[in-house]
Amino acid sequence: DIQMTQSPSSLSASVGDRVTITCQASQDISNYLNWYQQKPGKAPKLLIYDASNLETGVPSRFSGSGSGTDFTFTISSLQPEDIATYYCQQYGAFGGGTKVEIK
Amino acid sequence: QVQLQESGPGLVKPSQTLSLTCTVSGGSISSGSYYWSWIRQPAGKGLEWIGRIYTSGSTNYNPSLKSRVTISVDTSKNQFSLKLSSVTAADTAVYYCARESLSFIFDPWGQGTLVTVSS
Repeated sequence: DIQMTQSPSSLSASVGDRVTITCQASQDISNYLNWYQQKPGKAPKLLIYDASNLETGVPSRFSGSGSGTDFTFTISSLQPEDIATYYCQQYGAFGGGTKVEIK
Repeated sequence: QVQLQESGPGLVKPSQTLSLTCTVSGGSISSGSYYWSWIRQPAGKGLEWIGRIYTSGSTNYNPSLKSRVTISVDTSKNQFSLKLSSVTAADTAVYYCARESLSFIFDPWGQGTLVTVSS
């Protein structure tokens, strides 16, 4: 079974900062990697699919990259409304999540 | 657009069977090429995929839950269901249903329903 290792588990950054989250797969998954945003009390929301494709309606400050086993999710300029937990996912495996807070 | 809504008891006794239904609106569960999945999240923890069903009835389950899980579909009601047997307190979680593309993208999700296992 594929395992997804996500880091860091939490981070604190200032508004306007660039935020980067990484996700590593236990085996080559090509570009089949998705990123979700989950705000407290809400269902996860798809942000990025197939490693780098921005879901319709998602702000362009969100981006993703990578292939094979190593992937990166970036918020280019952190906004207050981006406070959430972010998860990577491939097939039936989710990363452990990264909680993003404002410093 | 397609929307999903979970329903079922919010409280289940230990050793009993948890039963949830996901109702799909805004589109037919039989149209298009999609899987229909269940995912859960214990309070304060991460997401755990439970399993999926295709409209043909074929299923895939998380190996860690496979012995206790049954997912079924009722195309006439535009619903799919989850049964989890022999539940314990460790099964207490928010349970989500979601549409899953053939490339394993979960979108959209239901709002989630909290199921507590307690006597």
